[in-house]
Amino acid sequence: ETGVTQSPTHLIKTRGQQVTLRCSSQSGHNTVSWYQQALGQGPQFIFQYYREEENGRGNFPPRFSGLQFPNYSSELNVNALELDDSALYLCASSPTSSEQYFGPGTRLTVT
Amino acid sequence: AQRVTQPEKLLSVFKGAPVELKCNYSYSGSPELFWYVQYSRQRLQLLLRHISRESIKGFTADLNKGETSFHLKKPFAQEEDSAMYYCAPLSGTYKYIFGTGTRLKVLA
Repeated sequence: ETGVTQSPTHLIKTRGQQVTLRCSSQSGHNTVSWYQQALGQGPQFIFQYYREEENGRGNFPPRFSGLQFPNYSSELNVNALELDDSALYLCASSPTSSEQYFGPGTRLTVT
Repeated sequence: AQRVTQPEKLLSVFKGAPVELKCNYSYSGSPELFWYVQYSRQRLQLLLRHISRESIKGFTADLNKGETSFHLKKPFAQEEDSAMYYCAPLSGTYKYIFGTGTRLKVLA
């Protein structure tokens, strides 16, 4: 299946460490959003980037940060990892702000 | 606060039976509403949006502003409908507020 890709698929980190998750959007999609999905919950909005600028943010602390690059790739960085950061992280790209196309996610486990 | 409630975590129905997945939202203003679906081992994907008023895979959803509901319905469930369903209003111009989801199991 083509479209939005994410890497890595799975990741295990230790509390206090830093992690970078990557997303490759569909060509032409200027908007990318990141979501955190804890087990048994719906996805929670972290932030969105539009043309390399942050365009909105959910209720997540500053240790969650992001970058978007001109080649339609983006990153989610999380510093000072906590056990509660263990979740599936989804990125979603869109040509507009409405319909979003989701990636398969990165499963992060913090021990 | 903006909130979405999907009261059923799990809904089991027999093949051929009608299905209704409930969604209630608390939102100021007029949100744009979506249903997303996640089939087993697949990524989250758009099922339908209220502004298009279309039927996708036999599913429809009507926005009831008075009851602030956006229930998803299908008259005859199929086994391939088994999946996780999320109701998601679009808040402002950029973020979805997802409900906790309802797992639909269609029994043979």
